[in-house]
Amino acid sequence: DIQMTQSPSSLSASVGDRVTITCRASQTIPTLGINLNWYQQKPGKAPNLLIYGTSNLESGVPSRFSGSESESDFTLTIDNLQPEDFATYYCQQTYTTPFTFGPGTKVDIK
Amino acid sequence: EVQLVESGGGLVKPGGSLRLSCAASGYSLGGYWMHWVRQAPGKGLLWVARITSDGSRTWYADSVNGRFTISRDNARNTVYLQMNSLRAEDTAVYFCVRVQAQRGRSFDLWGQGTVVTVSS
Repeated sequence: DIQMTQSPSSLSASVGDRVTITCRASQTIPTLGINLNWYQQKPGKAPNLLIYGTSNLESGVPSRFSGSESESDFTLTIDNLQPEDFATYYCQQTYTTPFTFGPGTKVDIK
Repeated sequence: EVQLVESGGGLVKPGGSLRLSCAASGYSLGGYWMHWVRQAPGKGLLWVARITSDGSRTWYADSVNGRFTISRDNARNTVYLQMNSLRAEDTAVYFCVRVQAQRGRSFDLWGQGTVVTVSS
């Protein structure tokens, strides 16, 4: 199985900040990025797709969200953090089953 | 409105069974592979099962393999998860999810979830 790790596990930030969350897979697979996705989840709600294929913004998602890859590290960046962005963020690989998620990064208000 | 609506959750004793349903509305479910994902209280997301658009192939997480069965009825626009031999560790919110094969196999549409509690 491909294990996904995320860092940090939590962070505190202020409105207007830039936030970066990193995700790494336990195996180095050159094409993993095609199947690397990011989700946002708020308490009591289902997750919501933000980014698919490392860097493609899902329709309707604000452009302050972006994704990238560098040397097998996948990054979700939120520019100009807004009050509605305080939530938990998960990366996910859909390269092969089981489709594993990272443990999540909780972004809360400083 | 395009949505998925799960039902069938509840309280069940260890060793018992439940069948979850996921009804799609606003679109034809038949063109999509579908998944179930669960989330234990206070925990992260765990992929549970997958089924092809025609129902001919299925895949399962090791933790549920042999106990859970995913199926679908495209005529009824519904996906199912039959859960047998339930254990306390199966307690979770269960989400039905649609997959976009052309977009990184991303999970683009989620149901609201149905709560399963396994307890004596």
